[in-house]
Amino acid sequence: GAGVSQSPRYKVAKRGQDVALRCDPISGHVSLFWYQQALGQGPEFLTYFQNEAQLDKSGLPSDRFFAERPEGSVSTLKIQRTQQEDSAVYLCASSPGGFFQPQHFGDGTRLSIL
Amino acid sequence: AQSVTQLGSHVSVSEGALVLLRCNYSSSVPPYLFWYVQYPNQGLQLLLKYTSAATLVKGINGFEAEFKKSETSFHLTKPSAHMSDAAEYFCAVSQDGNEKLTFGTGTRLTIIP
Repeated sequence: GAGVSQSPRYKVAKRGQDVALRCDPISGHVSLFWYQQALGQGPEFLTYFQNEAQLDKSGLPSDRFFAERPEGSVSTLKIQRTQQEDSAVYLCASSPGGFFQPQHFGDGTRLSIL
Repeated sequence: AQSVTQLGSHVSVSEGALVLLRCNYSSSVPPYLFWYVQYPNQGLQLLLKYTSAATLVKGINGFEAEFKKSETSFHLTKPSAHMSDAAEYFCAVSQDGNEKLTFGTGTRLTIIP
């Protein structure tokens, strides 16, 4: 079956531009997560949705970062006024919901800010 | 706060040798522990998970891990390394009440022919 799909795979933007990253979770998955992975590091949690409700956004690094999941399926991570430190791989994961359920990851979007 | 520590950012083993990747957790309550593998330019793939049902957990591709509460460890092992095992491995933890994962910094495994 189809896995988690992220688009675009690669995004290059100039500093100061706004970007939008898309995540299509596995159909029927209740939980959706965004992580940021800097080069040579492990993923770090950004935000979490249960259906359309954003239950945890404690990992968003600044108010320039915004995520939404309006219909409880596709999610978009938006970064406004991008900075060079925003360069990273952004990973999306989904799960059926529940603390023991594994998260299924997409291949990520590699964001480069020039 | 919960966390995991992966000892050794790089590990090299010969093809056919034992693979041992170390992970120690810090948690005040029983955690849920996971090992993920990441191949270049790909997302993370679950190898195995510990959810308190059994201390020895078997995963995909011949990997297994043993939960040792006394040592707060969850080391990943494989009896015989294969060239296709070369990748980055991440240990992760979550706790009851919160689904989000906290990852270690990863261990890059290199297999020597």
